[in-house]
Amino acid sequence: NAGVTQTPKFQVLKTGQSMTLQCAQDMNHNSMYWYRQDPGMGLRLIYYSASEGTTDKGEVPNGYNVSRLNKREFSLRLESAAPSQTSVYFCASSATGVGETQYFGPGTRLLVL
Amino acid sequence: AQKITQTQPGMFVQEKEAVTLDCTYDTSDQSYGLFWYKQPSSGEMIFLIYQGSYDEQNATEGRYSLNFQKARKSANLVISASQLGDSAMYFCAMNQAGTALIFGKGTTLSVSS
Repeated sequence: NAGVTQTPKFQVLKTGQSMTLQCAQDMNHNSMYWYRQDPGMGLRLIYYSASEGTTDKGEVPNGYNVSRLNKREFSLRLESAAPSQTSVYFCASSATGVGETQYFGPGTRLLVL
Repeated sequence: AQKITQTQPGMFVQEKEAVTLDCTYDTSDQSYGLFWYKQPSSGEMIFLIYQGSYDEQNATEGRYSLNFQKARKSANLVISASQLGDSAMYFCAMNQAGTALIFGKGTTLSVSS
């Protein structure tokens, strides 16, 4: 049982390059999330998907797009990377509801030069 | 709007002692969930404990307990008998129906022998 998987684990980009971060979960969860973590800032929500076919903006969506490909997969795309997007990106999933625990992937460390 | 506040950037404790990590929250909803996650230096996010807003008893999970004071809007994490392996960053988070987790900025706990 893999839980939540993310690829790649680490990536270096040049300013202006694009890339897609992949996330998949095998827990049959309806909800999936993308967060970024910066030093001293905690985790901030970029986008989330409450169910297959729906996506909503979070606190810091600018510069990102997402795709909920199917129930299992939720990808995050940077169309034109900027140094301000240097961060650690976490994908998470959960069942739907107030008390449902979010389970996190291992994270992707992204460095934009 | 929801908000989580963790006022202790760093805490220090000796092995076998108990430690309390503070968390206050702000919400106008009556139904919400409160969570604590641990992030060791390896970077993964580990779920520790959950408290629902309607739960009358404080949540406990092994050496972790959540001191829930609803009127004061606080949800402090208590770790009993600290161990060296407890050294990590700890995040308090909350959600409401249909929303993703909102995180505090975290508290770094250092346990010494």
